[in-house]
Amino acid sequence: GQNIDQPTEMTATEGAIVQINCTYQTSGFNGLFWYQQHAGEAPTFLSYNVLDGLEEKGRFSSFLSRSKGYSYLLLKELQMKDSASYLCAVRVVFSGGYNKLIFGAGTRLAVHP
Amino acid sequence: GAGVSQSPSNKVTEKGKDVELRCDPISGHTALYWYRQSLGQGLEFLIYFQGNSAPDKSGLPSDRFSAERTGGSVSTLTIQRTQQEDSAVYLCASSFRRGVPRDSSEQYFGPGTRLTVT
Repeated sequence: GQNIDQPTEMTATEGAIVQINCTYQTSGFNGLFWYQQHAGEAPTFLSYNVLDGLEEKGRFSSFLSRSKGYSYLLLKELQMKDSASYLCAVRVVFSGGYNKLIFGAGTRLAVHP
Repeated sequence: GAGVSQSPSNKVTEKGKDVELRCDPISGHTALYWYRQSLGQGLEFLIYFQGNSAPDKSGLPSDRFSAERTGGSVSTLTIQRTQQEDSAVYLCASSFRRGVPRDSSEQYFGPGTRLTVT
């Protein structure tokens, strides 16, 4: 089966660094995504990893190890507006070229002053 | 440019009624997805349309759920004989495959339709 695990909740202090981990067991892996979702809003795309290593985009970085089925999202210089849910999603490809995202349950991050 | 739009934004219906939810994807996006998100939960895949190919309906929870995509653009998700457990936010997303190696083809989400079945 397909399974994605990430912590349910995390808290951090404004200005600090936080790392949100995601582990997955899937077949047909074709990339890992991180999305940010503020309460009551739609998810927005943050990052994409398909090769091993670190992808950096401003204050956000994402890391992937395919052999370990592991990714993390690193948020630096935390701001209050970073309080949101962070969704880890794995794209899996099926025969015929179909693909879909399988989402984890999300990690609710609360940033405190 | 315009993003993904969905209507209605909120829908309250009585148990047993049918509902139709609409999604307008970003112009030119060939792929369209429907998801369901219950309160405090992750996104549950429902159905996926890619161009003119047959849709992937593997996520539809029962035969009360169906979806169409007309002209490769607008999509309608229909839930027949609604049940209270159908209450959730229904999200639509679209994406475009750029045809380059390791393309992310990230999905862009609409604001969702909050469905409440009483």
